[in-house]
This record gives sequence, C-alpha cells and structure tokens, in this order.
Amino acid sequence: DAGITQSPRHKVTETGTPVTLRCHQTENHRYMYWYRQDPGHGLRLIHYSYGVKDTDKGEVSDGYSVSRSKTEDFLLTLESATSSQTSVYFCAISESRAGFGQETQYFGPGTRLLVL
Amino acid sequence: QQQVKQSPQSLIVQKGGISIINCAYENTAFDYFPWYQQFPGKGPALLIAIRPDVSEKKEGRFTISFNKSAKQFSLHIMDSQPGDSATYFCAARVSGYSTLTFGKGTMLLVSP
Repeated sequence: DAGITQSPRHKVTETGTPVTLRCHQTENHRYMYWYRQDPGHGLRLIHYSYGVKDTDKGEVSDGYSVSRSKTEDFLLTLESATSSQTSVYFCAISESRAGFGQETQYFGPGTRLLVL
Repeated sequence: QQQVKQSPQSLIVQKGGISIINCAYENTAFDYFPWYQQFPGKGPALLIAIRPDVSEKKEGRFTISFNKSAKQFSLHIMDSQPGDSATYFCAARVSGYSTLTFGKGTMLLVSP
C-alpha cells in the first residue's frame, strides 16, 4: 500500500454516535478520496479533496463530512452514524488529474465500520 | 444512475482458461479507463489502464480491448491462474477531472 494508512481498521459503534475515520499519506499527493464499498454497489465516491481545505462532494455524500487541514491527512466524519452507513471505507490518493500515469489512484487498506 | 455497467457479476473459470469481463458506458466525455484488482481484505490496486486513442493494451497475461464506437471495453485474462481469483473493477474518468466512476465489480474464481 503506497504509503497510505487508515485508522481505525475496525470499528463498532452505535446509531446516533459521531464517528471519525482518518486517512494518512506519506506520498505528498495532492488528491485524496473517500469511498465506501458495499456488496452489489461496488466502490462509490463519498468526498474528495484537491488540496488543503479544498474538498468536494461525491456520489454518496449525504450524512458525511470531510476535512483536510494538512496535505497528509484527510478525515471522514459521520456526524450521527446510521445502520445504512455500515460499510467498508477506503481512502485513496493520486498525484494528478491526468497525464503520464500520475492519475493512478492508490488505495489504503480500508476501515470496516459496523453501526449497530 | 450507473454510468459504467459491468458484467458479469461473478465468473468461474478453469485454470488455464480465458477470463473475460465487460464494461459499457454512455458518457462520451470519459477519456481514461482503468481496471482495478482487489483481493479479500485489501484495497483495490491498479491492474491496467487504457485511453480511447488505442484499441488494445496488453501487459503480460492481462489485455484491455477498447471499442470506442460501441462504448465498451473489456478485460481479458489469458491462462487464468488460481492466484488471479479476486474482484475486478472497471472504472472511467471524465476528461479534466480527478474522480473515477467504478463499475459494480466482478468476482472471479479460477478453479485449480
């Protein structure tokens, strides 16, 4: 895994509680992404960042917020967790939008979240 | 609305056989088509990618075939091995953007 760590790796929480997942990179890549992976749905983009303090929504952003105060860290927050947010969450990074292979997205090892 | 349709959902292939996974899209603004491979408990990893200016790209046993007019692209795994057993995702990116749209994935099992 290209210098990407996610924490925690596993979490069990209760409905209504706030949860924050952390993605940390050592590659100094500009772009960072949060996805969720669910059976039958593949990988769906939640939010992404194109620089410090620059973020945008993805396909399934409702119920999630993000923050990026440093190049290396991208936080995903579930303000009030619901059972429908039980999923595996992946962080990804990339250097560039396009060109010469720099657009490859590298994925972290994932966080398995269970909301009871 | 699913922008990249992937099939089949699952696939069983004998060792040594050819595995074929197909993807179709509608958005003609897509200009980059990667395939990702994911083993259980791991994050996806880039396997091979193609741009629409070529019709085929080969890397070892893995080949992408691209049909621009039909808006389809496929992954062929020649001489499939048990170690290829994984979930495969196709994806596409709109020109000028950094985000990928993924297909729903294909679970490949290569039987010994």
